[in-house]
Amino acid sequence: DAMVIQNPRYQVTQFGKPVTLSCSQTLNHNVMYWYQQKSSQAPKLLFHYYDKDFNNEADTPDNFQSRRPNTSFCFLDIRSPGLGDAAMYLCATSYGVNEQFFGPGTRLTVL
Amino acid sequence: AQSVTQLDSQVPVFEEAPVELRCNYSSSVSVYLFWYVQYPNQGLQLLLKYLSGSTLVKGINGFEAEFNKSQTSFHLRKPSVHISDTAEYFCAVSDRLRGKLIFGQGTELSVKP
Repeated sequence: DAMVIQNPRYQVTQFGKPVTLSCSQTLNHNVMYWYQQKSSQAPKLLFHYYDKDFNNEADTPDNFQSRRPNTSFCFLDIRSPGLGDAAMYLCATSYGVNEQFFGPGTRLTVL
Repeated sequence: AQSVTQLDSQVPVFEEAPVELRCNYSSSVSVYLFWYVQYPNQGLQLLLKYLSGSTLVKGINGFEAEFNKSQTSFHLRKPSVHISDTAEYFCAVSDRLRGKLIFGQGTELSVKP
């Protein structure tokens, strides 16, 4: 089945230790998104790639970076995680401006 | 700019009772409308969407929603809920040019036996 895959599902890191979250998709969608979702809150868009074009949200901290080496894969890099970065990170894909398909998420814990 | 307001943060309901989760939006441009469901420690799953056409939209798991342009609402309904419907429900809009999703704050549906 075509899908959005996120690895790992659970990630534990130490304060200040860089971490990378992975997303892959078999839908062949041209747009990939990264969201941050804190407890009991709505998902918040961090950035997205429209094809190879990177689009950063204005309020996304510099601590968050992203890479998209090819159509299928997209990575979220957190350079120096703080306690406030503990959250669920959701990857989503879409074809153009159509509906978004979400992965299962990665729960990040910062110790 | 668009915004979404989900009028109830929590909705407790007994099993087999009907339920309505309310959503209002504001936008200066035409939008697409969505309802997503999120189970604990899971991603978001699309329940239904309104793109154009009939204002009554049927989705998965017996849910439906009605788009009301004059009231700028997109309320979600189910005639008879199950325990398994217990989850967080998000209403969202996206504009037709950029596709960026704007979410409401979510409604926690709790179905009790």
